[in-house]
Amino acid sequence: DIQMTQSPSSLSASVGDRVTITCRASQSINIYLNWYQQKPGKAPNVLIYTASSLQSGVPSRFSGSGSGTDFTLTISSLQPEDFATYYCQQSYTSPYTFGQGTKVEI
Amino acid sequence: QVQLVESGGGVVQPGRTLRLSCAASGFTFSSYGMHWVRQAPGKGLEWVALIWYDGGNKDYADSVKGRFTISRDNSKNTLYLQMNSLRAEDTALYYCARSVWPPGHSHGYYESWGQGTLVTVSS
Repeated sequence: DIQMTQSPSSLSASVGDRVTITCRASQSINIYLNWYQQKPGKAPNVLIYTASSLQSGVPSRFSGSGSGTDFTLTISSLQPEDFATYYCQQSYTSPYTFGQGTKVEI
Repeated sequence: QVQLVESGGGVVQPGRTLRLSCAASGFTFSSYGMHWVRQAPGKGLEWVALIWYDGGNKDYADSVKGRFTISRDNSKNTLYLQMNSLRAEDTALYYCARSVWPPGHSHGYYESWGQGTLVTVSS
């Protein structure tokens, strides 16, 4: 199985900060890496797919990059509604593993 | 608009069975692969199972293989998860999710999710 490791597990940030979350795969997954945002009590919501494609309707302050084994999610200017937990997921091969999550807190 | 509504969760004793349903609307259900993803209380997301658009291929996480069965009825726009021999570690919120393949790619992402149905396995 491909292991997905996110860092950090949590971070504290302020409105307006630039935030970067990293995700590392235990083997190459090409560009098949997706990012989801989850708020408490809600289902996850896709932000980025195929490493760098912005899902329709998602604000442009979110961006993704990377290929192979190393990926990043960047929030260019953190907004109040961005405080949530973020998960990466590889869709390269079954089982379609998720990272452990990164909680972004004030 | 796309809507996925899970049902069938509840409290069940270890070793018993439960069947979850996911009613789909707002899109051509028979054209999309569907997945189940679960989340134990306070924990992260875990992929459980997938089924192709036509039911022709299925796949499972090792943790549920041999105990859970994914199926679909395209005439009823409904996805199912039959869960047998339930264990305490199966306690989770179970989401169904629609898989979308970006143009030119053969690997998808979860574009739509239901609200989840809670399964609690406890004696």
